[in-house]
This record gives sequence, C-alpha cells and structure tokens, in this order.
Amino acid sequence: DAKTTQPPSMDCAEGRAANLPCNHSTISGNEYVYWYRQIHSQGPQYIIHGLKNNETNEMASLIITEDRKSSTLILPHATLRDTAVYYCIVRVASSGANSKLTFGKGITLSVRP
Amino acid sequence: GAVVSQHPSWVICKSGTSVKIECRSLDFQATTMFWYRQFPKQSLMLMATSNEGSKATYEQGVEKDKFLINHASLTLSTLTVTSAHPEDSSFYICSATPRVSTTFGYTFGSGTRLTVV
Repeated sequence: DAKTTQPPSMDCAEGRAANLPCNHSTISGNEYVYWYRQIHSQGPQYIIHGLKNNETNEMASLIITEDRKSSTLILPHATLRDTAVYYCIVRVASSGANSKLTFGKGITLSVRP
Repeated sequence: GAVVSQHPSWVICKSGTSVKIECRSLDFQATTMFWYRQFPKQSLMLMATSNEGSKATYEQGVEKDKFLINHASLTLSTLTVTSAHPEDSSFYICSATPRVSTTFGYTFGSGTRLTVV
C-alpha cells in the first residue's frame, strides 16, 4: 500500500472549517484514500473514503486532486468534539487477510474555543 | 451501520496471569478481524490478522505463543495475552471487516486498556 505524509498537527477555531492535507504521491490507480479519526482513548472511527471523485457525507468532504497525489479532508464547521488524531490511509479495497489497514502517525487536530 | 463490540473496556491484572479480550461483530459476519496495539502517544500497530476457522497471521515481531488469537465463529474473535508482564500494558483494539468484499470503511471496537501490575 502507498505511504502517506501528513503534518504532525494543526489547529483551528471552533465553527471554522478545518482543512487537513495528505500527500500520497505514490498512490496506485486501484488504491482508495481513506480517512479515519481517533478521539483520545477510543477506537478509530471511519470518516470517508474516495477513489477519484470528491466525496461528501454527513461528517466531512474529501477533495482529491486530479493527479490523485494528494487529498484534503474538510470538516466544514469544526467543533470541540472534532479534536482528535486524523489518519489518512491509502490502500486497495479488498476483503480478507489482504485488507488490513496500516496506520501512520496521523495529524493531531486541535479545535480551540 | 456495522458495529463492533469489544470487551472488557479496561482490565488490570497481575504479572504472570492471562487476560482474554473479546471482539464481536454485532450486525454482520466477519471472516477477518484485526488486532492492533497502541502505546501512549503512538499510532496503532497491527499485531495479527484473525481468520475465521484458521490460524491467525501474525505481524513480524509479535509472539504468537504470547498473544493467542481464536476466531471460532463469524462474529467472535478473542485475543488472550498469556503470562502478562508490565510491558504488555497497552491499548488493544480490534477491527472487523464484513464477509463480502466492500469498499466501505472498517469498523473498530472501542478498545481495551490493559494494565499489568
């Protein structure tokens, strides 16, 4: 699976949009971009994933560049509860033993009042 | 949505004893489950892949005789930390993937905080 690079941390003001970048310059054509987050002392939570097109759900938006070498997770109106470590992972979608997720260091988002 | 239940959420045990952690998929069948370990201020490290009806696949450096994994049914995998020592104190997290191939995200349990004293 392709590796990803994320800044170690960032912060934003409550109510503002949080834009979390991720570089995945070696991504392959069949690899998806997944985003998870982990709030302190909890298990990771799935946020969103995408292949080529931008995606939006009730939690966030995922913007993938045309060359797919980078992406941005957007939390449109950050709240204090969004403070967490956010992980960007790229991998081939499959089932069984080959579908494991490998976590990097992630980016720590701190939302300030 | 898919729900994974992990039990217990925390446990304290004495050195030398064994501890069993359960991971259940509540509303889907999981032929494959994953066990992770996370030390303070570090990322999740995959320990092993648990396959229903067969032996688990361990990542390099993980002792299979110390971390026993049993995946006897499509909804339950257990991790037993045998002869626990203080250095085994960590946050253990399981993840399950549905039986059918999917591009959806994977569901994680809430984690088990193990403290060995």
